Amino acid sequence: DTGVSQDPRHKITKRGQNVTFRCDPISEHNRLYWYRQTLGQGPEFLTYFQNEAQLEKSRLLSDRFSAERPKGSFSTLEIQRTEQGDSAMYLCASSPGSKAESGYTFGSGTRLTVV
Amino acid sequence: TQLLEQSPQFLSIQEGENLTVYCNSSSVFSSLQWYRQEPGEGPVLLVTVVTGGEVKKLKRLTFQFGDARKDSSLHITAAQPGDTGLYLCAGALYRDDKIIFGKGTRLHILP
Repeated sequence: DTGVSQDPRHKITKRGQNVTFRCDPISEHNRLYWYRQTLGQGPEFLTYFQNEAQLEKSRLLSDRFSAERPKGSFSTLEIQRTEQGDSAMYLCASSPGSKAESGYTFGSGTRLTVV
Repeated sequence: TQLLEQSPQFLSIQEGENLTVYCNSSSVFSSLQWYRQEPGEGPVLLVTVVTGGEVKKLKRLTFQFGDARKDSSLHITAAQPGDTGLYLCAGALYRDDKIIFGKGTRLHILP
C-alpha cells in the first residue's frame, strides 16, 4: 500500500501531556498538509509543507502546536500541554504539485482524545 | 463564518431514489473538489472541477461547477446503500495553495 500513512490511529492522553503524531506521505508527493476535524465539522486547515519548508500556518495553530518535515519526507505534528479542546481527528494529506486541482490523498487520521 | 456552505446537512432517503446536494459560496474558487468520508477514515477524492459550467460524471454521480465558479452540486442517480457517507466539498481560492472544506452533507441510504 503506497497511500498516506498516519501513526498512531488512536491516542488517549491526559490533559497537560505532550503528544506527537507522524505522517508518511506518498513518496513522490512534495506537498504535505495537516488538517483537524471535530465531530460534525469538515476538516480545518492547520499547516502545510512544500518539501521541508513550512509555507503556511493557520491562526488555529497555537504556540502549543508545532509541525516539522525535516527531510522533506515524513512529517510530525506535536501538541504540547494538551487541552480537552484539542480532542479531534488529525488528518494528514499529500499532493503531487502546487496546484490544488491535482487533488489531495488523505491518510486515515489520528484520533486524539484528551481526558 | 463558513466560506463553503453545504446543504442539506443531513439526508436520509430510500434506495433507488435520486438526490442532489449543494455547495455554495460568495467567493470565487479556482477549483472545487468533492470528497467522500466514511466513519474513522480520511476523506477520499471523488472529483475535481476547474472550469465554470463544467459537468463531470462518475458512474451514477454527476458533478457540476457553477458558471460563476462560486457553487457546485452533486447529483446521485438511483442511490444505493454503498453511497452512504459524509460528502465534503472543498475549494481553492485564487492565489491560495490550500483547499478549505465545507461542513459536509451526511447521506444515509436506506435499503
